[in-house]
Amino acid sequence: AQSVTQLGSHVSVSEGALVLLRCNYSSSVPPYLFWYVQYPNQGLQLLLKYTTGATLVKGINGFEAEFKKSETSFHLTKPSAHMSDAAEYFCAVTPSNTDKLIFGTGTRLQVFP
Amino acid sequence: ETGVTQSPTHLIKTRGQQVTLRCSSQSGHNTVSWYQQALGQGPQFIFQYYREEENGRGNFPPRFSGLQFPNYSSELNVNALELDDSALYLCASSSRDRLSEETQYFGPGTRLLVL
Repeated sequence: AQSVTQLGSHVSVSEGALVLLRCNYSSSVPPYLFWYVQYPNQGLQLLLKYTTGATLVKGINGFEAEFKKSETSFHLTKPSAHMSDAAEYFCAVTPSNTDKLIFGTGTRLQVFP
Repeated sequence: ETGVTQSPTHLIKTRGQQVTLRCSSQSGHNTVSWYQQALGQGPQFIFQYYREEENGRGNFPPRFSGLQFPNYSSELNVNALELDDSALYLCASSSRDRLSEETQYFGPGTRLLVL
């Protein structure tokens, strides 16, 4: 069985500060890992994904995430937060790219000026 | 924009009624997955359709059913609506046959309120 844990339902940072959103997963098979962002009253937008290969994955809007198998983690980071980054972020895992996604409960990011 | 569209955007129903939600997949995609997102929660997988056949189902009762059409668009039907069915319903399209299009791309969702 697969599962995702997102530590911290709310994260607040100042504009320009480092963003770190935590995600730990459980998977019995090599996982595919995803980060999605959801702006208010909208669907999910893919930020980045890890399938195989390089463990540091770069996504859109300056975000990146590192797959650490030994720590079963896939934390999302951005060096400098922007006001437009305020949104809900979801980490997800799946045994293959097109199989069902298992989502975490989400982390709401607030960015203060 | 992902090219995945859903209709309607909002819907209000009463308990016991039936509802049909629609999803048009991105061009070239043959797989549609449906998710339910309750308020304050992450999306939960309902089921997936691949080439008009159900291809996996989550922990949802049989009153949640679906269809996929030859053009790969899809419908989600919910019978005997309950208050707890109030949620944002998301569909995601992908292609199981094209490695470059494996990622699931989500539509904007349909917000259902059951009174």
